[in-house]
Amino acid sequence: NAGVTQTPKFRVLKTGQSMTLLCAQDMNHEYMYWYRQDPGMGLRLIHYSVGEGTTAKGEVPDGYNVSRLKKQNFLLGLESAAPSQTSVYFCASSYGWGRSYEQYFGPGTRLTVT
Amino acid sequence: GDSVTQMEGPVTLSEEAFLTINCTYTATGYPSLFWYVQYPGEGLQLLLKATKADDKGSNKGFEATYRKETTSFHLEKGSVQVSDSAVYFCAPSGGSNYKLTFGKGTLLTVNP
Repeated sequence: NAGVTQTPKFRVLKTGQSMTLLCAQDMNHEYMYWYRQDPGMGLRLIHYSVGEGTTAKGEVPDGYNVSRLKKQNFLLGLESAAPSQTSVYFCASSYGWGRSYEQYFGPGTRLTVT
Repeated sequence: GDSVTQMEGPVTLSEEAFLTINCTYTATGYPSLFWYVQYPGEGLQLLLKATKADDKGSNKGFEATYRKETTSFHLEKGSVQVSDSAVYFCAPSGGSNYKLTFGKGTLLTVNP
């Protein structure tokens, strides 16, 4: 049981390049989330999904797109990377959509945009 | 929207010292309250949670009590260890939209 995995672990992009971050979970969770973590800012929600084939915007969605074609995978895309997108990205999943459900986090992807 | 005010760090303690990290929140509805911990180079993991007023969450010697009247969820540990060095995040799961709202995190360093 691997839990939540993320690929890649590190990436350096030039401004304007595109990339996709992959998140996979093997816990059969319905709900998945993408966050970014910046120094002194805590975690901020980018996009989330409440089930296969659904996506919704979070707190900071601009410049990102997501897809949830399979229940176990949640992809985060950057179409034209900008230096402001330099951050650590975390994927998470949860069994339910309720106030007491714990979120399980992946190990993170460190992205640098030059 | 929901918000969290968390004690600013960094916090540096000696081994076996007492730890308190303050957390207060604002949330619509009736949130659950979580503390997550992030060890160096890792993702976040749940440390403890409380789902109703006066509940005490506990794990690994850490405790926090849900205080509805003061909208607080302060984290405490009686005797910290070097292995407790990490960043700690307070997070209500809000009342009206079930999303986690994270505090800015408190870096704890425990010296031997």
